[in-house]
Amino acid sequence: DTAVSQTPKYLVTQMGNDKSIKCEQNLGHDTMYWYKQDSKKFLKIMFSYNNKELIINETVPNRFSPKSPDKAHLNLHINSLELGDSAVYFCASSQPGNRKETQYFGPGTRLLVL
Amino acid sequence: DAKTTQPPSMDCAEGRAANLPCNHSTISGNEYVYWYRQIHSQGPQYIIHGLKNNETNEMASLIITEDRKSSTLILPHATLRDTAVYYCIAPKPYGNKLVFGAGTILRVKS
Repeated sequence: DTAVSQTPKYLVTQMGNDKSIKCEQNLGHDTMYWYKQDSKKFLKIMFSYNNKELIINETVPNRFSPKSPDKAHLNLHINSLELGDSAVYFCASSQPGNRKETQYFGPGTRLLVL
Repeated sequence: DAKTTQPPSMDCAEGRAANLPCNHSTISGNEYVYWYRQIHSQGPQYIIHGLKNNETNEMASLIITEDRKSSTLILPHATLRDTAVYYCIAPKPYGNKLVFGAGTILRVKS
C-alpha cells in the first residue's frame, strides 16, 4: 500500500489555467506538507497543515491555496498558472507528536506550464 | 536551522562502504542531525537521524563527533540503487519543516 500518494503524476497545462493537485496519506499522521522542487533542484517548503489547520505558509503567492478536508488529505489548488510554476510538487506527512522532522514524501507531481 | 555543509559530489565503488560527511559547526544542543536522500525522479526518503550518540538502522549508520560539529553517514555496502542526492539537515526543533540544501550527489559505480 502506498503511504503517501499524489495525483496526478504529470500535469501539462496552459498559462492562465487553474489546476489542482491531490495528496493522500494512509499513515495516520496529523501533519501534512507541500514542497516545491524547481528546475535547479532545490526543494523548498510551501505549506504545512496540522489536523486541518494551516501552520506554515512560506510566503507563497496567494494564487496557491491549500485545502485540507481531513487530516489524511491535503490538496493544492493553483489559480492563473504562470510559466514559473513549472516544477515538481511533493506532498509529505509526519508523525504525531512534537518532533516532525521525520517526514514521508509522496512520489511528486510534475507540473509543466506552457 | 543550523547551517550544514556537504561536498557537492562523491563516487563509491559498488559493494564498498560509502562515507558521506557533513559539517554543522553551528548546531545547537537540541538540534538533531537528519539525513534524507532523493533517488532520481522520486520523492525524498528519510534515512536516519541522531542527536549525540551514533545510530544504526537497516539503511545506514550515523556517526556524530563528540563536539557535534560534524557527522558521517555510512552506507556499509553501497549498491547501484544507492545512487542519489543525500541531504544532511539540522532542523530547528519544533519548527515543523525541513530546509534542504544542495546535498551530495553520490554515484555508486560498478
